[in-house]
Amino acid sequence: KAGVTQTPRYLIKTRGQQVTLSCSPISGHRSVSWYQQTPGQGLQFLFEYFSETQRNKGNFPGRFSGRQFSNSRSEMNVSTLELGDSALYLCASSWKGTGMDEQYFGPGTRLTVT
Amino acid sequence: AQKVTQAQTEISVVEKEDVTLDCVYETRDTTYYLFWYKQPPSGELVFLIRRNSFDEQNEISGRYSWNFQKSTSSFNFTITASQVVDSAVYFCALSEAGKKYGNKLVFGAGTILRVKS
Repeated sequence: KAGVTQTPRYLIKTRGQQVTLSCSPISGHRSVSWYQQTPGQGLQFLFEYFSETQRNKGNFPGRFSGRQFSNSRSEMNVSTLELGDSALYLCASSWKGTGMDEQYFGPGTRLTVT
Repeated sequence: AQKVTQAQTEISVVEKEDVTLDCVYETRDTTYYLFWYKQPPSGELVFLIRRNSFDEQNEISGRYSWNFQKSTSSFNFTITASQVVDSAVYFCALSEAGKKYGNKLVFGAGTILRVKS
């Protein structure tokens, strides 16, 4: 079974630009969650989608948004990039999305904002 | 609000030593789940173990074991006979139960484990 894939793996953007990151979950998984990892703040939950609906959102500004498609693939978008958005963005998928699920993480997208 | 604390920032051991990683959590929920994940240098988080709030039985799985105590809100993880390949960052995490909450993991800050040969 193929794992969670994230594209691109690395990205360099300039302040003020916008970026879209993509996540393909494990086949059959309907829940996709996004996390931001930085040295200062650690791993923080961004949002979670299940069957194309956002069910939960972390404490991030509106510049961070996401969506999920009917095939469960998900994208997250960050508009008007700031230097502080530089981070490793991790995507995770699970089958039921009930909180007890073992989540499978992708390798992440490392975003650098200059 | 949920919170997970991993007080140990970094631990160094010599191969074959046993090592215990500490985790203390806070939650008002009566039903919750606790996890340990490992993050090797490649960056991908790998699931290790899961425990629900109703099951305090401690178990051993291979070289891994865990000690869950609701009375002290602790969920400690032990690696027996550590190996160099165990070197990674270990995260303790907490989630609420139920579909309406979805899959939101609250992570601790992580503990860097260095196993030297």
